[in-house]
Amino acid sequence: DTAVSQTPKYLVTQMGNDKSIKCEQNLGHDTMYWYKQDSKKFLKIMFSYNNKELIINETVPNRFSPKSPDKAHLNLHINSLELGDSAVYFCASSQDLGRVYGYTFGSGTRLTVV
Amino acid sequence: QQQVKQSPQSLIVQKGGISIINCAYENTAFDYFPWYQQFPGKGPALLIAIRPDVSEKKEGRFTISFNKSAKQFSLHIMDSQPGDSATYFCAASDPNDYKLSFGAGTTVTVRA
Repeated sequence: DTAVSQTPKYLVTQMGNDKSIKCEQNLGHDTMYWYKQDSKKFLKIMFSYNNKELIINETVPNRFSPKSPDKAHLNLHINSLELGDSAVYFCASSQDLGRVYGYTFGSGTRLTVV
Repeated sequence: QQQVKQSPQSLIVQKGGISIINCAYENTAFDYFPWYQQFPGKGPALLIAIRPDVSEKKEGRFTISFNKSAKQFSLHIMDSQPGDSATYFCAASDPNDYKLSFGAGTTVTVRA
């Protein structure tokens, strides 16, 4: 199946822990993204990578560190988790900045910090 | 700062009715306006998109209307079906943007 896949789907953890979310796309896209969806469903860009290079870092706390080992993978590591980090995190990818065929989103990782 | 303002936050429509969602923007550099549909537990998926050189685009029961001078665009869902129940997001980008700026979303519920 061609897709954007992210793991895990659910993540429940305690405050102060460090966790990672992994994302892989097999669509051959050049650009990958992390979006955060809060409890009101608002979608906010966090990071954008093009061919493994960081393009956008949208005022995200430096506890969040993305890593792109190759253009098919974009992982998100979060240090010292806080209650406010609870949200659904979506990975997405696109070709041509998504202006022809749109973004392809993964199914999301629901992070709950307790 | 939200670059695309979307309304209403939610709406309920009877099966067969018309759902209308409105969006407005300020950034005149925006030249690509997609709509995304999101079902519970899934990621958003591209539904339909428009560029400002046309005033309307139709795909099946979904129509985007675009008013460049007013910097507004809207999604019409004709003959709404229960399967259309989802959250709809308008979005916008400029030619050099490595991101989409999304509206706040509208949850549409279609009652049978």
